[in-house]
Amino acid sequence: DQQVKQNSPSLSVQEGRISILNCDYTNSMFDYFLWYKKYPAEGPTFLISISSIKDKNEDGRFTVFLNKSAKHLSLHIVPSQPGDSAVYFCAASLYNFNKFYFGSGTKLNVKP
Amino acid sequence: DVKVTQSSRYLVKRTGEKVFLECVQDMDHENMFWYRQDPGLGLRLIYFSYDVKMKEKGDIPEGYSVSREKKERFSLILESASTNQTSMYLCASSLGSNTQYFGPGTRLTVL
Repeated sequence: DQQVKQNSPSLSVQEGRISILNCDYTNSMFDYFLWYKKYPAEGPTFLISISSIKDKNEDGRFTVFLNKSAKHLSLHIVPSQPGDSAVYFCAASLYNFNKFYFGSGTKLNVKP
Repeated sequence: DVKVTQSSRYLVKRTGEKVFLECVQDMDHENMFWYRQDPGLGLRLIYFSYDVKMKEKGDIPEGYSVSREKKERFSLILESASTNQTSMYLCASSLGSNTQYFGPGTRLTVL
């Protein structure tokens, strides 16, 4: 049973608008969350992370929001650019454990 | 910058062959991981290692084995390749429970 779920396999957004990618998790003990970006034929690259003691973390155009009561994580990209077109994976882990649990990914297409 | 390299970008093998996938990291990371990525299933953990000669099964270890004789190198072995092992294989490394850094992946096709 997947502990981290991304229910939208794909998302299409116009350039300049906001992209919102969502992620849900089932294990309330998860306390560290990350987003990865993956281009075709490349490995995933780390984008942004958040620990459970925060509810928001921002890095340039990328902001991650964490709602612990809802067990929900979201990534906002503002403004979206065509170069953001990629598959985005969310991941979660338990404190002091090395194992990450990944969602199934959301393919973002940013149209020029 | 962390660098994780994988021995091959593309590999084609026949059913029943023994396959070795090699991964090397240059940042003295303790932990190394092997995942496979399949459409709609995301990244699934096959095996991981938190120290030399140590290994732990992930979520889908069946049909695979691993070897970690040196800290920087983690090998994935398919003892007898089957068509359902056609996939993208990704290696990653991390220091402690921090961010995992991924290699470019190996696209394996088993005919």
